[in-house]
Amino acid sequence: DQQVKQNSPSLSVQEGRISILNCDYTNSMFDYFLWYKKYPAEGPTFLISISSIKDKNEDGRFTVFLNKSAKHLSLHIVPSQPGDSAVYFCAARGGGSQGNLIFGKGTKLSVKP
Amino acid sequence: DTEVTQTPKHLVMGMTNKKSLKCEQHMGHRAMYWYKQKAKKPPELMFVYSYEKLSINESVPSRFSPECPNSSLLNLHLHALQPEDSALYLCASSNRPYEGVDTQYFGPGTRLTVL
Repeated sequence: DQQVKQNSPSLSVQEGRISILNCDYTNSMFDYFLWYKKYPAEGPTFLISISSIKDKNEDGRFTVFLNKSAKHLSLHIVPSQPGDSAVYFCAARGGGSQGNLIFGKGTKLSVKP
Repeated sequence: DTEVTQTPKHLVMGMTNKKSLKCEQHMGHRAMYWYKQKAKKPPELMFVYSYEKLSINESVPSRFSPECPNSSLLNLHLHALQPEDSALYLCASSNRPYEGVDTQYFGPGTRLTVL
């Protein structure tokens, strides 16, 4: 039973345009959400996070939106750059669930020049 | 500084070998984690140490043995592994493991191949 779902295994975007990566979750106890970027054979790099008390968090080109009623979050990258090409993982954490990050399966983003 | 270091970067071992993976962080974080990641899959949690005590063991076989010598170091001792244990082993650390808003920072991983 997947608690965090990333239904698009891959996404291709033109350089300079917006990339939108989506994530759905089923557990209403999740209260903290994170996005990680991963290159092959490297560890995940933390990108941006959002607490469930917010609906938007922005950091430079990256913005995460949270819709709690729909149990949906999305990562927007504007403008997209070729260096953004990587696998993006959505992860969620339940209140008080110490150590337990639940990851989605990832979306592979390709940004074409 | 959010750096977590891991050694070695690559490791090839036979099924009868004993080896160790090492992880270090100097951010003063209070929790450290071991994850296993297979190709095209998300990371899977193996162990969590909070305040140098093992707090989570996700039903990992005993051929994997974690050790936390101090708050900055985390080891994973390997013995009698199977070829299916070949994977990328990731270490992570975080500062507030018992709080909701807690971000884990990952190391670059050790690529393990079991022959």
